[in-house]
Amino acid sequence: ETGVTQTPRHLVMGMTNKKSLKCEQHLGHNAMYWYKQSAKKPLELMFVYNFKEQTENNSVPSRFSPECPNSSHLFLHLHTLQPEDSALYLCASSQISNSGNTIYFGEGSWLTVV
Amino acid sequence: GEDVEQSLFLSVREGDSSVINCTYTDSSSTYLYWYKQEPGAGLQLLTYIFSNMDMKQDQRLTVLLNKKDKHLSLRIADTQTGDSAIYFCAESMDSSYKLIFGSGTRLLVRP
Repeated sequence: ETGVTQTPRHLVMGMTNKKSLKCEQHLGHNAMYWYKQSAKKPLELMFVYNFKEQTENNSVPSRFSPECPNSSHLFLHLHTLQPEDSALYLCASSQISNSGNTIYFGEGSWLTVV
Repeated sequence: GEDVEQSLFLSVREGDSSVINCTYTDSSSTYLYWYKQEPGAGLQLLTYIFSNMDMKQDQRLTVLLNKKDKHLSLRIADTQTGDSAIYFCAESMDSSYKLIFGSGTRLLVRP
């Protein structure tokens, strides 16, 4: 499945580093998402972009900064993270329409903050 | 509020049927989904059902929806070791792009 591609697949960063996660969707969808998956909590929606406009910021700390330059690409810029931010970060896309919103996920980026 | 609940763990023998259950609270849910997550991977969409349907079958997968009880189930026939994974139930509403996920059910298939 290559509809939604995420890089890197694995990332280890120190608390003072700045890094970015990248996501690209090849499905022609109009919406893209960042989700966080950690061992302790259910899947958490972080950000939603609909036609490149951010429509949802789910009380995410400012050390996570999303960027959506076009409807096919989505970034998550990371800076001064904490060890508790270690998790699997999942990008997803969908075609929002009147007949539903089926979301397709990428393989995820495993982030470890040391 | 919106809430989706699943049991945490299910163990079955290879060749048996597996039934994974899910309950949700929002009666205005329009679509209900099942996703599969294998170790180290993202979520793979397995199937979904529209709320005006009672049942949907796709090869070895059968989805049953009891809208009155707000209960969704996924039946996997002839379960194989490759079916071992975490299965997530999710709901969405017609007017919303948000999916509300359950915590996932870990399915272990014993040889």
